[in-house]
This record gives sequence, C-alpha cells and structure tokens, in this order.
Amino acid sequence: GAVVSQHPSWVICKSGTSVKIECRSLDFQATTMFWYRQFPKQSLMLMATSNEGSKATYEQGVEKDKFLINHASLTLSTLTVTSAHPEDSSFYICSARNPGLAGVADTQYFGPGTRLTVL
Amino acid sequence: SQKIEQNSEALNIQEGKTATLTCNYTNYSPAYLQWYRQDPGRGPVFLLLIRENEKEKRKERLKVTFDTTLKQSLFHITASQPADSATYLCALGNNDMRFGAGTRLTVKP
Repeated sequence: GAVVSQHPSWVICKSGTSVKIECRSLDFQATTMFWYRQFPKQSLMLMATSNEGSKATYEQGVEKDKFLINHASLTLSTLTVTSAHPEDSSFYICSARNPGLAGVADTQYFGPGTRLTVL
Repeated sequence: SQKIEQNSEALNIQEGKTATLTCNYTNYSPAYLQWYRQDPGRGPVFLLLIRENEKEKRKERLKVTFDTTLKQSLFHITASQPADSATYLCALGNNDMRFGAGTRLTVKP
C-alpha cells in the first residue's frame, strides 16, 4: 500500500501566528514529498518539493521564508506557515511517491489535506 | 506556457451511461499522465496511470486513452453510478506533476 497521513486535518488560527502541518508516509519510505495548496473549485498548485536531508525546492512565486519545509526523515515532512494571514487560508495537501511499488513508481499518493483558516 | 485543460467544469449524466472526460495539454511533453478522483474536502485518490508509449489502459469500469499526437487523454467511466460523482483531475508528469483544474461529474439516479 501507500498511505499518507496529514495532521491536523483542520486548524483555525489568529493572524500573525505560525502553523505547522505534518505529512507522514505510513507504510513506505518517501525520499521526496510534495506540498500543494488548493483554493475552492481550483486545481492543485504545487508549492514545493521536499527532499529528505536537503533543502526544499520552491515553485516560482512561493515565499520560502513564509512556507518553511523540513523533511527530516524518510517518513515525515512538515510545512510551517509563518506569520499566517487571512490570504493564507486554503486547503493544503501533501503527497509522496512510493518508488517501491512496481509499475507505479511515478504515482503520487496524497494525504487527506489540511484546511487552514486564518482569522 | 504550459496549459492543461479539462473539457468542462461540470458534467451531468444519467446513471448507467458512460461518462467521458477530456484532458488536453499544450507546450508539454509528459512522460506519463494520471487521473485522480477528488471528493469535497479530501485529497486526490489515484485511479490510473498511462505512459507516453501506451495508448489505452483499463481498470474495472475505467478506461483511459492517451494520444500524444493530439495531446489529449480521454477518461471513460462505463455503467456510471451515483457513487462515481466527484471531481476528476488529470495530471501530467515528468519529474513533477501538473494538474488540470478538474471536471466535476454528477451522476443522477
């Protein structure tokens, strides 16, 4: 299998606070994880690629100092939204590849998502 | 610039009919294409992957075609059921993946 979990599933915070979202691969090791955000009725937008043991690669227009990514182990990546503001409210989803699954090594398996609401 | 377009924002069909969803792309040469299902407030769930050298893939009631000349993929759900109602996303990949905006399918009983 290829199960990915996220925690928390939803969070409400005050403007100016920081929020950490965890992404875990439960039954496989993931050297690479991906972080997306999705606004209502829109597609997933790739924010960054998280590589275990090295710095994340951010997409153009994504502030790396605002969205801190840490991939400290082969099963855990974290996204910290620093000094969150209402415009950061969105659905954040992580995914991971399971290179061990024959034939679908390129497939990304998604977590259930985290709904962030910044008041 | 790269574009991925899914035929329509919403598609309504009657139960039992075949649903056909379209994914077109420009300025892109993907090594593979994938289809995902997403329910409201949930993460996408992988359905099928088809590679650039494959023309067709099937899985139960699902069928995907991939035409690299037309730069198009068709996604079919045969004998559709109300439980198939969801948003379906196509995604094109090389080292990373880019998603279309999705088509919201509603199957009416």
